[in-house]
Amino acid sequence: AQSVAQPEDQVNVAEGNPLTVKCTYSVSGNPYLFWYVQYPNRGLQFLLKYITGDNLVKGSYGFEAEFNKSQTSFHQKKPSALVSDSALYFCAVRDIGAGSYQLTFGKGTKLSVIP
Amino acid sequence: DADVTQTPRNRITKTGKRIMLECSQTKGHDRMYWYRQDPGLGLRLIYYSFDVKDINKGEISDGYSVSRQAQAKFSLSLESAIPNQTALYFCATSDTTRGGRMNTGELFFGEGSRLTVL
Repeated sequence: AQSVAQPEDQVNVAEGNPLTVKCTYSVSGNPYLFWYVQYPNRGLQFLLKYITGDNLVKGSYGFEAEFNKSQTSFHQKKPSALVSDSALYFCAVRDIGAGSYQLTFGKGTKLSVIP
Repeated sequence: DADVTQTPRNRITKTGKRIMLECSQTKGHDRMYWYRQDPGLGLRLIYYSFDVKDINKGEISDGYSVSRQAQAKFSLSLESAIPNQTALYFCATSDTTRGGRMNTGELFFGEGSRLTVL
């Protein structure tokens, strides 16, 4: 079975500082990994994905994420946080090796960027 | 106009009432999904459909039913609503492999339907 964990319910960071939002996953085969962002009263918006190739993927709004197979992690990072980055972030996984067609989401991490 | 449209956006109802949430999409995708979001629980899959004749149960299908009326329309019904079905519901779509293009499973979400059951 595929699963994903976001170990932090909330992350607080000062504006201008680097931020990291953590995600670890569990699959039986190879994963497709995704990050989504949700702003208040809005649906989820796609940020970035890892499918294959370069372990560092770049996405929207200056976010990037690094796929680490040995640590089964896909942490999202940004070098300089903006107040407008404050939102709820979800990591999701799809177990391609197991032939899964579904995405499994983590419970979400609330990011607060303090001015 | 939004690519994935959900109606109603907000609904308050009473226990025992029948409720239908509707979703329509203009993306031309063949796969459609219904998710439920609860604080601290993330998103959980209720039902999904890969085409008009295909309906599949997700993680938490009890108490819900769906109908795929056309490729672009996927509705979620609560036959007899109960308070613990109070949640934010999302419809999503994704595309299948066409012409060799890889299906990564990336989802496109509607804006959500907030349902409160009293």
